[in-house]
This record gives sequence, structure tokens and C-alpha cells, in this order.
Amino acid sequence: DAGVTQSPTHLIKTRGQQVTLRCSPKSGHDTVSWYQQALGQGPQFIFQYYEEEERQRGNFPDRFSGHQFPNYSSELNVNALLLGDSALYLCASSPLWGGEGTEAFFGQGTRLTVV
Amino acid sequence: GQQLNQSPQSMFIQEGEDVSMNCTSSSIFNTWLWYKQDPGEGPVLLIALYKAGELTSNGRLTAQFGITRKDSFLNISASIPSDVGIYFCAGQRTSGTYKYIFGTGTRLKVLA
Repeated sequence: DAGVTQSPTHLIKTRGQQVTLRCSPKSGHDTVSWYQQALGQGPQFIFQYYEEEERQRGNFPDRFSGHQFPNYSSELNVNALLLGDSALYLCASSPLWGGEGTEAFFGQGTRLTVV
Repeated sequence: GQQLNQSPQSMFIQEGEDVSMNCTSSSIFNTWLWYKQDPGEGPVLLIALYKAGELTSNGRLTAQFGITRKDSFLNISASIPSDVGIYFCAGQRTSGTYKYIFGTGTRLKVLA
């Protein structure tokens, strides 16, 4: 049973460019959340997708957008990249009903470096 | 963004020693979670807590959900070298949202 898979694992982009990161959730999970983890910090919640819609959003600008596909996989898009967007981007999947034992499982992350 | 306060920030311990770390918040959470993150990897869930006062174990790990719902504690007994890593607490206010608020992390180093 594959866990949460993210691609690519590493990426280098130039300021002002746009980037797309991808995530496939764990089998049986229909909800995907994205987090940004700056070096030396804990992960910060970006947004959550369920049924192809953004359901909750953290304190991130509109440059951060996402998409969820019918097969539950998801993309994170960041436009007009800034140096401060350099971070590990984590995808987490979970079932929506959220009872005990349904915590989020994280992927290995995509390391984005903006130069 | 908001982060929970974890202490200590880092610790060096000898193999076989017990370890304690805690996490505090200014607001209430309905679920507390503890994750471990190794370099270059995503966080891995260690323990989840759902009720105030709850004490839960997972092998050598024991965690408690504070009765005020504003704090949580993690203990590791008889530490081994593979316990090295960064430990994060996370709080969740509403079930099903998966909007976790993470702590600042405790970096653990075990000396053999």
C-alpha cells in the first residue's frame, strides 16, 4: 500500500517564475492538505482540498493556489516566486470524516529552492 | 504564522536515558498529535490524543493531553540512537479539517 507520494523531490526555480508541485494521496484517502516548512520551523498549513474544492485556507497569499482531481490527487501552484518561498512543501492526506484514528499522513515533501 | 511553543528546543542525551518534552498553547485544542521528522523526510505520526487528561503509549513513547487542553507532553524512555530527529507537537481544533498548528520542534540527539 503506497503512502503519500510527492513529485518532484527537489526543484530549483528563479524569482518571478511559477512552480507546480504534485501529490498522490494514500490509498483510501480523499482529503489533501498542503503545508510549507521553512528551514528550522514547524510546518505551516496552506490549504485543504476535498471534493475538488478548497475547504480551508491558512494565512498565505493568493499566489498560492491548488487543485484536486477526481482521483483525489492534488497540485500546489505558486506564482511570482519570491526568495522567501524557498521551503519544504509537504502534502498530507486523510479521510474527511476525521474521527479517531484518521490523522493526516505526510509525504516526504518537495524541497523548493528559489534563486 | 502561528506556532505552538515547544521546549526544550534541543537536547543531547546519553543512550538509555529518559527524555521529556512539552508543548504549550494560548488556546484550546481538541486533538493533540506528536510527529517525528528525520532529515529530508516528512513528519511521521507517533501518538494521537483525543481527550483532556488522556495518557497514551506507543512502545517506549508516552504522551499526555493536558487537562486544560492547552498543553501536551511526550516522554521517551530508554532512548536509543534511532530516536535522533526532530519531534513536533501539533494541535487540531476541529475534527476533519486537518488544519494542524505545529510546534517549533525539539531536536533530539542521542549519544551512544
